[in-house]
Amino acid sequence: AQSVTQLDSQVPVFEEAPVELRCNYSSSVSVYLFWYVQYPNQGLQLLLKYLSGSTLVESINGFEAEFNKSQTSFHLRKPSVHISDTAEYFCAVIPTGGFKTIFGAGTRLFVKA
Amino acid sequence: DAGVIQSPRHEVTEMGQEVTLRCKPISGHDYLFWYRQTMMRGLELLIYFNNNVPIDDSGMPEDRFSAKMPNASFSTLKIQPSEPRDSAVYFCASSPNGGPTNEKLFFGSGTQLSVL
Repeated sequence: AQSVTQLDSQVPVFEEAPVELRCNYSSSVSVYLFWYVQYPNQGLQLLLKYLSGSTLVESINGFEAEFNKSQTSFHLRKPSVHISDTAEYFCAVIPTGGFKTIFGAGTRLFVKA
Repeated sequence: DAGVIQSPRHEVTEMGQEVTLRCKPISGHDYLFWYRQTMMRGLELLIYFNNNVPIDDSGMPEDRFSAKMPNASFSTLKIQPSEPRDSAVYFCASSPNGGPTNEKLFFGSGTQLSVL
């Protein structure tokens, strides 16, 4: 079985400051890793994913995440956040060859002016 | 493509009433998932289908919950009778069949259910 732990339920940060949203996972098999974003009153949207290859993956809006196998982590970072990044962010895993995505509890990022 | 379409957007009902939530997945997607989102439990997988067949319903909380997928373009999640603790946002998501690049889930906008 797989599980995902997002260590922070809420992260307040000032605009243009850097941010890191932490994610750790547990699995007895290899997994694919994802970050989804949910803006208010909307469904989740894929932000980025790690399937294989380079352990550093990037999104089009400046977020990046690094897969660390030894620490079973997939932390999400952005060097400078905008007000528009205010949303809830979900870390998720899916076992390779499987189709059941397991989500973390979510981290609410609140960017202040 | 219009994406995953859910209806209704909002549903307010009284305890004991039957509630039916509807979902139209993206055309060509072979997998359909129903999730429930609450503040207390986050995002929980209730059930998922592959080619209209229920594969895993271990997340369905009770017998009051049932889900069907009569064809590739339509699924329903029914709660009968509904209870206040069923109040949540219910999301439908679909995913294409295939290799490693197709694990992405496409979510609908959700149904906000309030049971009074």
